[in-house]
Amino acid sequence: NAGVTQTPKFQVLKTGQSMTLQCAQDMNHEYMSWYRQDPGMGLRLIHYSVGAGITDQGEVPNGYNVSRSTTEDFPLRLLSAAPSQTSVYFCASSYLETQYFGPGTRLLVL
Amino acid sequence: AQSVAQPEDQVNVAEGNPLTVKCTYSVSGNPYLFWYVQYPNRGLQFLLKYITGDNLVKGSYGFEAEFNKSQTSFHLKKPSALVSDSALYFCAVSPDGGSSYKLIFGSGTRLLVRP
Repeated sequence: NAGVTQTPKFQVLKTGQSMTLQCAQDMNHEYMSWYRQDPGMGLRLIHYSVGAGITDQGEVPNGYNVSRSTTEDFPLRLLSAAPSQTSVYFCASSYLETQYFGPGTRLLVL
Repeated sequence: AQSVAQPEDQVNVAEGNPLTVKCTYSVSGNPYLFWYVQYPNRGLQFLLKYITGDNLVKGSYGFEAEFNKSQTSFHLKKPSALVSDSALYFCAVSPDGGSSYKLIFGSGTRLLVRP
């Protein structure tokens, strides 16, 4: 099993550009989540999904959209990037109260 | 507001000595509690969890944690530290019990184990 995979590993955007961060898992987990990690703030929940077709907002959803058309994929879309969205983004899938994290995507917005 | 506090930004310990990384939480109800570890340029890895039962839980790599309901604490411990334990440690809580897919994380504590 590859576990949770994320692409790209690193991305530079200009303010106002849009992009999609990809996340996929091959463990058939129903639950998936997106977090952002900022220095001194730990991880903060952006959006989560409890199954295909079902998503909900977390603590910091503004500026991000998600969809869940399949169990495997949970992409995160930035509609109009802002410098405040510079961060490291982690996707995770969850099973039996344990989250499995991807390697992360480092995003720099200029 | 529900929150998790890790009061120490960094913990320094000599190899072979015991280590403790502190965590306190403020949530209502009966939360599930977790510790995760992050090595440089990697995602987080699960160490251990408390759901119910014995207040002392054992996890991966020789780590354990003690749940104290009266003090709302969940400190991470290891009897004998290794240099390879040096990493960033996160305490997390699932305030809704089984909703572990939407965790609240502490700010993290960097553990440095010197040879």
